[in-house]
Amino acid sequence: GAVVSQHPSRVICKSGTSVKIECRSLDFQATTMFWYRQFPKKSLMLMATSNEGSKATYEQGVEKDKFLINHASLTLSTLTVTSAHPEDSSFYICSAIDEYFSNYGYTFGSGTRLTVV
Amino acid sequence: GENVEQHPSTLSVQEGDSAVIKCTYSDSASNYFPWYKQELGKRPQLIIDIRSNVGEKKDQRIAVTLNKTAKHFSLHITETQPEDSAVYFCAAISSGTYKYIFGTGTRLKVLA
Repeated sequence: GAVVSQHPSRVICKSGTSVKIECRSLDFQATTMFWYRQFPKKSLMLMATSNEGSKATYEQGVEKDKFLINHASLTLSTLTVTSAHPEDSSFYICSAIDEYFSNYGYTFGSGTRLTVV
Repeated sequence: GENVEQHPSTLSVQEGDSAVIKCTYSDSASNYFPWYKQELGKRPQLIIDIRSNVGEKKDQRIAVTLNKTAKHFSLHITETQPEDSAVYFCAAISSGTYKYIFGTGTRLKVLA
């Protein structure tokens, strides 16, 4: 089945630094990747939609200069949290889909727990 | 845009009993409705899905029903087991896109 790898699984960083999270589709070409944020005991909030070779589309209220998304290839999308602050601490999770073969089913990455101290 | 509401937020059932979680959606053009199970600190796992051209789908102890007219769909788990304890999310596809709009989640506890 489709597999999406996400790294790192956990990261602790100092306030003001930047953190990069990678999301890779291992056995399929991900035409579209999605980045979600999840607060403790809350639902998944869509942050942005990432299409290979084009600029990401951000959801309302998500700062695109704060959360930089790059989808450089059909198998890799990255989310960089720039100048991180404690309020950016959260669980970030990506999902990927191959629109040409999909039946709408997502494959989720394993998630990244970011803690900003 | 699409809006998905999910109820209840928490649900406790005795082992062996049934559990039902309900979701309503707003966009009548939505045509795909997956259900995910998420254990603490882990990724959501797809457990069942249904398309708008089907009214019901079943997979062993899990079933999903869809009422397009009323714009709601439900997850039914029968003969619940302790390992069914998790958070369950419903979702609907925002029409014209592949974006999922998730419900707020239901924390299911199966009591042994």
